[in-house]
Amino acid sequence: DIQMTQSPSSLSASVGDRVTITCRASQSISRYLNWYQQKPGKAPKLLIYAASSLQSGVPSRFSGSGSGTDFTLTITSLQPEDFATYSCQQSYSTPYTFGPGAQLQIK
Amino acid sequence: EVQLVESGGGLVQPGGSLRLSCAASGFTFSTYSMNWVRQAPGKGLEWVSYISSSTTIIYYADSVMGRFTISRDNAKNSVSLQMNSLRAEDTAVYYCARDRRLYSGSEDKYYYYMDVWGRGTTVTVSS
Repeated sequence: DIQMTQSPSSLSASVGDRVTITCRASQSISRYLNWYQQKPGKAPKLLIYAASSLQSGVPSRFSGSGSGTDFTLTITSLQPEDFATYSCQQSYSTPYTFGPGAQLQIK
Repeated sequence: EVQLVESGGGLVQPGGSLRLSCAASGFTFSTYSMNWVRQAPGKGLEWVSYISSSTTIIYYADSVMGRFTISRDNAKNSVSLQMNSLRAEDTAVYYCARDRRLYSGSEDKYYYYMDVWGRGTTVTVSS
């Protein structure tokens, strides 16, 4: 199985800040990497698919990059509604696996 | 509106069974593959199972193989997860999620992602 790790596991930032979350796969997954946002008690929401494609309706302050084993999610100019947990997921092969999540908190 | 609504969760004793359902609306259900994903309390997301649009391809996580069975009824726009021999570690919120595939002509590849999620149904396995 492909293992996904994320760093940091948690971070604090202020409204208006730029933040970057990293995701690493245990083997090359090309660009088969998706990012999800989840708020407490809510379902995950797709943000980015195929490493860098922005899902329809998602604000352009979200962006993704990377290929192979190393990927990043960047949020520019943080908004109050962006404080949530962010998880990466590989769709290169089953079992599809998720990273443990990165909790973004308000400083 | 594209929507997925899960049902069937509840409290069950270890070794018991439960059947989850997911009702789809707002899109042509029969043309999409579907997934079940779960999240144990305070934990990350765990993919559970996948079923293709025509039911010809089915995958399971090792943790549920042989105990869970995924199925779908395209006439009723629904996907189900039959869960047998339940264990305490199966306690989680279970989400159904639509599987989407995107063809990249420049790369001659299909990319896969889960673009629509239900709100989840809670399964608690406890005596």
